[in-house]
Amino acid sequence: EVQLVESGGGLVQPGGSLRLSCAASGFAFSSYAMSWVRQAPGKGLEWVSAISGSGGSTYSADSVRGRFTISRDNSKNTLDLQMDSLRAEDTALYYCAKKGPNSGSYQPLDYWGQGTLVTVSS
Amino acid sequence: DIQMTQSPSSLSASVGDRVTITCRASQGISDYLAWYQQKPGKVPKLLIYAASTLQSGVPSRFSGSGSGTDFTLTISSLQPEDVATYYCQAYNSAPQTFGQGTKVEIK
Repeated sequence: EVQLVESGGGLVQPGGSLRLSCAASGFAFSSYAMSWVRQAPGKGLEWVSAISGSGGSTYSADSVRGRFTISRDNSKNTLDLQMDSLRAEDTALYYCAKKGPNSGSYQPLDYWGQGTLVTVSS
Repeated sequence: DIQMTQSPSSLSASVGDRVTITCRASQGISDYLAWYQQKPGKVPKLLIYAASTLQSGVPSRFSGSGSGTDFTLTISSLQPEDVATYYCQAYNSAPQTFGQGTKVEIK
């Protein structure tokens, strides 16, 4: 059974940093690209960042580029999102998601974690 | 960047009605289009990918069609458990933009 468990969310002041993690199990982690998607309170889904299975390719939304860094550790089956220079508009529930169902390029998000809440406020 | 526009933003229909939601991409995306269902307070769930392929376990009353820039999600017979917000997503390149969502309610 595929499981994705996020952690690391919390309350942080504007300008601060936070590191989110996602522990993956139940599938061949290194074979699949992964993504982070966020959802502000009462709002729609916003794609944040993605990383290839090897970790060699990363992609980010314009809204977070230069502030957020996605990474993965295939030896530990973990996905991370380092979030720096946080702003109030980054307040959201952050989901870790697996790209699939196939391991090739251009896949949708077939499994999602429960999310971890990030609140940016003074 | 590709923009995804869904319509309508919300709809109310009766149980058993046929419901159609449209999604338009600002440029051609072939069939790299997914539909997700998010029930209130729940995690998004993949319904359809490659524009028309039903994800395993999804009821057959859901179907998708389209290619290029215009896509459709159809619920052939609306059920109470289908109350949710539905999102389309283009996944052919980054950013993998979502539509703004369509909220489906029971009349």
